[in-house]
Amino acid sequence: EVQLVESGGGLVQPGGSLRLSCAASGFSFSGYWMHWVRQAPGKGLVWVSRVNMDGGSATYVDSVKGRFTISRDNAKNTLHLQMHSLRAEDTAVYYCARETPMTGGFYMDVWGRGTTVTVSS
Amino acid sequence: DIQMTQSPSTLSASVGDRVTITCRASQDISIWLAWYQQRPGKAPKLLIYKASTLESGVPSRFSGSGSGTDFTLTISSLQPDDFASYYCQHYTVFPLTFGGGTKVEIK
Repeated sequence: EVQLVESGGGLVQPGGSLRLSCAASGFSFSGYWMHWVRQAPGKGLVWVSRVNMDGGSATYVDSVKGRFTISRDNAKNTLHLQMHSLRAEDTAVYYCARETPMTGGFYMDVWGRGTTVTVSS
Repeated sequence: DIQMTQSPSTLSASVGDRVTITCRASQDISIWLAWYQQRPGKAPKLLIYKASTLESGVPSRFSGSGSGTDFTLTISSLQPDDFASYYCQHYTVFPLTFGGGTKVEIK
């Protein structure tokens, strides 16, 4: 079964750091681009970041540039999101998602269940 | 950034109703649009890509249409499992952006 399981969420103070992880199983992880998408409480979906297959190229939404870093460990089938300088507006459920293998298709065909990040003092 | 605007934001309907949700892009995105369903407390699920192509396993009562800037998601006969939120997403350039969502409620 194709599966993505996020972990690492929690309560953190403003200015703090957190590292999210996403364990992939049931598919050849190293053959897929991967994404993080977040959803603030009661709000819509916001794309956060994308990383290529070997981890050498990443893209970010402007609001997290310079604060968040996406990475992956293909040997461990794991995706990460390192978050620094966290702000209240980063409070959200963070989803890990797999990009479709279709060429030019930057949409997500498999999603994890999410991990909750709360930034509050 | 490309802005995606969905309407309505909330829709009340009954089982068996035909439901249409609209998504408008702030610039031409050709057919590079996906639709997702999100049930409460669950992860999003891909329904449609390339504006009108049904993802494998998605019931045929779901359909998508449109190109350029105007798109629609139609549910031909609403089922109990379909009461959820729906989001459109363009995938032409980065940043990827989603519409604000449409919540389909029970009338």
